[in-house]
Amino acid sequence: QQQVKQSPQSLIVQKGGISIINCAYENTAFDYFPWYQQFPGKGPALLIAIRPDVSEKKEGRFTISFNKSAKQFSLHIMDSQPGDSATYFCAASTGNQFYFGTGTSLTVIP
Amino acid sequence: DAGVIQSPRHEVTEMGQEVTLRCKPISGHNSLFWYRQTMMRGLELLIYFNNNVPIDDSGMPEDRFSAKMPNASFSTLKIQPSEPRDSAVYFCASINRLVTEAFFGQGTRLTVV
Repeated sequence: QQQVKQSPQSLIVQKGGISIINCAYENTAFDYFPWYQQFPGKGPALLIAIRPDVSEKKEGRFTISFNKSAKQFSLHIMDSQPGDSATYFCAASTGNQFYFGTGTSLTVIP
Repeated sequence: DAGVIQSPRHEVTEMGQEVTLRCKPISGHNSLFWYRQTMMRGLELLIYFNNNVPIDDSGMPEDRFSAKMPNASFSTLKIQPSEPRDSAVYFCASINRLVTEAFFGQGTRLTVV
């Protein structure tokens, strides 16, 4: 059973555009929602994270929007660049368990 | 710290053979996870250890899979016998005590032919 549902599976965006990746969860015990970025041949690495007491967190061009009532959260990449091309995973955590979404392959076209 | 270290980086084996994947977590981290990544299913949690004790192995697909953590600095994931459908990238990750970040190794790409 997939604890975290992620969409879309793949995304193609023009350079300078906005990339949006969505995730949904069911378990209200989750209290930490990170996003991971993975480049080919590498393991995923933490990109940005949010806790449910805030609705938005921004770090540079990356923003997490969090909707606690809808049990949804999303990653927005503003001014997308070719270097952002990677696979992105959302995750949800409770205690010391991390549950990952299935990933979104982002391609930013120059 | 060199981060989470996995070996080998690549493994090609014949169906029916035993495969052992190895992981060295970051020193001081007390939780270790094994994940399997495929295009179809993304990142699947196989098993996780807390203080060297297996806590949840419900993600281990079959009895052919087993994992051990004999001490805080070493873990193995064994597949015996291996099958072509086991072909995937296997990641090990360790989590800091604040539980704010999972640090992943570079993965082992397993191909079973």
